[in-house]
Amino acid sequence: AQKITQTQPGMFVQEKEAVTLDCTYDTSDQSYGLFWYKQPSSGEMIFLIYQGSYDEQNATEGRYSLNFQKARKSANLVISASQLGDSAMYFCAMREGNTGFQKLVFGTGTRLLVSP
Amino acid sequence: DAGVTQSPTHLIKTRGQQVTLRCSPKSGHDTVSWYQQALGQGPQFIFQYYEEEERQRGNFPDRFSGHQFPNYSSELNVNALLLGDSALYLCASSRRDRVHQPQHFGDGTRLSIL
Repeated sequence: AQKITQTQPGMFVQEKEAVTLDCTYDTSDQSYGLFWYKQPSSGEMIFLIYQGSYDEQNATEGRYSLNFQKARKSANLVISASQLGDSAMYFCAMREGNTGFQKLVFGTGTRLLVSP
Repeated sequence: DAGVTQSPTHLIKTRGQQVTLRCSPKSGHDTVSWYQQALGQGPQFIFQYYEEEERQRGNFPDRFSGHQFPNYSSELNVNALLLGDSALYLCASSRRDRVHQPQHFGDGTRLSIL
């Protein structure tokens, strides 16, 4: 069965510093996708970045990059130059397979607090 | 370009009642998924609809049912509400033919059971 593990319940970082949020996953499927979402206190889930299992390059989206280590089954999110608005819950999620009928399996999340 | 919209925003019910939550997908999306997020947890997959049929289902009892309409909008129905059904219910939409694109989420409906 799919599983996502986020071992950091909370992380603190100062404004303008970089922070890494950890995510490990477990799957027997060769084809899968990994996602990071941000959830502010308002509740909406905001998509940040995606990494496919066959992608050779680590994904980047602005200040977000994904450190994908396939052999270790890890997909850590790196946020560079943290901003106060980055304070939120961050969820790692996995999609197995290549069909359109897929569910996302989420981790328990990491709460990030950015201080001035 | 409207994103995923959910209604109502908040809802308070008592045990034993039933509830219907609604979702309109992002323009151009044809697949709707529903998730339950208990306080302090990550979202849990309930089910997914495409072409008005349930295509995948998570580990939820039959009290949870859904529907998708020809315009791709969807409803989540929960019968015989329990205290444990109190949660944030998230709707997500996607395109069946765009596997590598993310699901887009609405703001959710906060359901409280008294």
